[in-house]
Amino acid sequence: DQQVKQNSPSLSVQEGRISILNCDYTNSMFDYFLWYKKYPAEGPTFLISISSIKDKNEDGRFTVFLNKSAKHLSLHIVPSQPGDSAVYFCAASANDGATNKLIFGTGTLLAVQP
Amino acid sequence: DVKVTQSSRYLVKRTGEKVFLECVQDMDHENMFWYRQDPGLGLRLIYFSYDVKMKEKGDIPEGYSVSREKKERFSLILESASTNQTSMYLCASSLSLQPQHFGDGTRLSIL
Repeated sequence: DQQVKQNSPSLSVQEGRISILNCDYTNSMFDYFLWYKKYPAEGPTFLISISSIKDKNEDGRFTVFLNKSAKHLSLHIVPSQPGDSAVYFCAASANDGATNKLIFGTGTLLAVQP
Repeated sequence: DVKVTQSSRYLVKRTGEKVFLECVQDMDHENMFWYRQDPGLGLRLIYFSYDVKMKEKGDIPEGYSVSREKKERFSLILESASTNQTSMYLCASSLSLQPQHFGDGTRLSIL
């Protein structure tokens, strides 16, 4: 049972436009959400996170939105750049104290066309 | 910067062999994790550890074991490698309630 779902395996966007990556979850106990970016032959790198007490978090060109009632989060990248081309994973955690156990989605491959 | 180092980038082993994957982190993180990444399945947690000599099963522990004798090192062991364990293996570490930092992965092929 996939608790964190990324229903779009891939997304193609023109340089300078907005990229919107979506993620849905089923477990209402999740209270912390993260986005990771992964280039080929490298490990995932942390991008941005949001706690369930917020509905938006912004860091430069990256903004994450959380809709708890819909169990949905999205990552907006504005403006998109060719260097943003990568696989993006969303992840969720239920605060179980110290262990930080994450559940990952299946990833969305973003291609930003010059 | 946090550095998580995995001992091999590529590894080829034979069915039935005992395989060791090593991971070392340099930031005194208490939590360490092993994942495998497969196309269409994302990252799946195999085992994690929140302290020396402590380990917890993740979502897919079958066929694997782990060892954490020192805080900075977390080893993944394939007791008897099988072809369905061909995958990309990723190690991560973190402080409590902080994002995980990943190594660059080991691409393991079992022939």
